[in-house]
Amino acid sequence: VLTQSPGTLSLSPGERATLSCRASQSVSSTYLAWYQHKPGQAPRLLIFAASSRATGVPDRFSGSGSGTDFTLTINRLEPEDFAIYYCQCFSSPSMYTFGQGTNLEIK
Amino acid sequence: QVQLQESGPGLVKASGTLSLACAVSGGSISNCNWWSWVRQSPGKGLEWIGQIYDCGGTDYNPSLKSRVTISVDKSKNHFSLRLSSVTAADTAVYYCARNLRQSYGMEIWGQGTTVTVSS
Repeated sequence: VLTQSPGTLSLSPGERATLSCRASQSVSSTYLAWYQHKPGQAPRLLIFAASSRATGVPDRFSGSGSGTDFTLTINRLEPEDFAIYYCQCFSSPSMYTFGQGTNLEIK
Repeated sequence: QVQLQESGPGLVKASGTLSLACAVSGGSISNCNWWSWVRQSPGKGLEWIGQIYDCGGTDYNPSLKSRVTISVDKSKNHFSLRLSSVTAADTAVYYCARNLRQSYGMEIWGQGTTVTVSS
């Protein structure tokens, strides 16, 4: 089980966002990913293997963490960054699990 | 670049079978990639349904495994989802996706298709 916090984060453009994802048991960093999801659009892979940015993702997005605690940091928030963010892990028995999401909204 | 497009009935009767296809364009489905189905029910988060490896192999969400079949049709360059014995709880937007690797997440997504289960 992946638990994301906070459920909702209210920030202003230009600020830094810190999103947390906690796993109920240790997860290999290789198998931890982050997505951005906007209403009416497909999810977008931001980070894979806990800290590697996917193709085309701006460097203001960064991922970190290990074991059971992982973080997505977004520096200098842009208006287009306000969305729902999900963490995801791949674990035994060969399945993916998503966190419940963090809603990043404009303050 | 590779693009994905879901297709299928937007309305399915309860107790029936939901069938969706995901057409792959701009690339071949025969390059040993993993392909996934993910859904989002109204007001809820993302739920992984399962994945298929076009060189052989499938993984399913244990909570859906008894009702799900994912298959590949290389001649049509598409992969498919079948979900049997559907209920209102299966009403969702269904997305198909191509994985970065088996376990690295989904890097390319279709736009999604809405399926409503009617009673």
